[in-house]
Amino acid sequence: QKEVEQNSGPLSVPEGAIASLNCTYSDRGSQSFFWYRQYSGKSPELIMSIYSNGDKEDGRFTAQLNKASQYVSLLIRDSQPSDSATYLCAATVGMDSSYKLIFGSGTRLLVRP
Amino acid sequence: ETGVTQSPTHLIKTRGQQVTLRCSSQSGHNTVSWYQQALGQGPQFIFQYYREEENGRGNFPPRFSGLQFPNYSSELNVNALELDDSALYLCASSLNPYGDRHYGYTFGSGTRLTVV
Repeated sequence: QKEVEQNSGPLSVPEGAIASLNCTYSDRGSQSFFWYRQYSGKSPELIMSIYSNGDKEDGRFTAQLNKASQYVSLLIRDSQPSDSATYLCAATVGMDSSYKLIFGSGTRLLVRP
Repeated sequence: ETGVTQSPTHLIKTRGQQVTLRCSSQSGHNTVSWYQQALGQGPQFIFQYYREEENGRGNFPPRFSGLQFPNYSSELNVNALELDDSALYLCASSLNPYGDRHYGYTFGSGTRLTVV
């Protein structure tokens, strides 16, 4: 069973701090990784994608990928109360002739004003 | 460019009934995947449709079935509803069956199904 593991949290950080979210995956064949943000009762919204080892930065967000350790992380700098949400880590897993997304159970982030 | 649209937004059904959920893919996307998200869990892959055929399936029983139409829109059908089928059902579209390494999959707003 291909899996993506996340700490469910909640992760509580003060406003302005750096929030660090982590994820591990079991399928070494996974090629692309995504972080989605999901507000309560809403659908997932893509925050970052990464497919090469190393860091990828976009505004306040930095995604990090280490394929040797099968580890993906998301850093949120200058955290804002509006960043309070559940963050889902997802990895592509190969099927016979396509790919599917496998999700972790999500980490709930709470940014305290 | 329109995004992924799903209907209805909310639905209440009785155990044993059948339900059909609908999804229109984002313009230019030819692949549709369906996910079930139970409360407090991540989305679980149900199946994927490409060129009007099922192109991959997760660990869901046969009473979960689907269709894709020539315009790439899709339906999810669930027969003999059980209480555990209560969940948010998400439709996601992608450019092709391999997804897109940059943009991933675009999700619709979901259908909240409650089985009583």
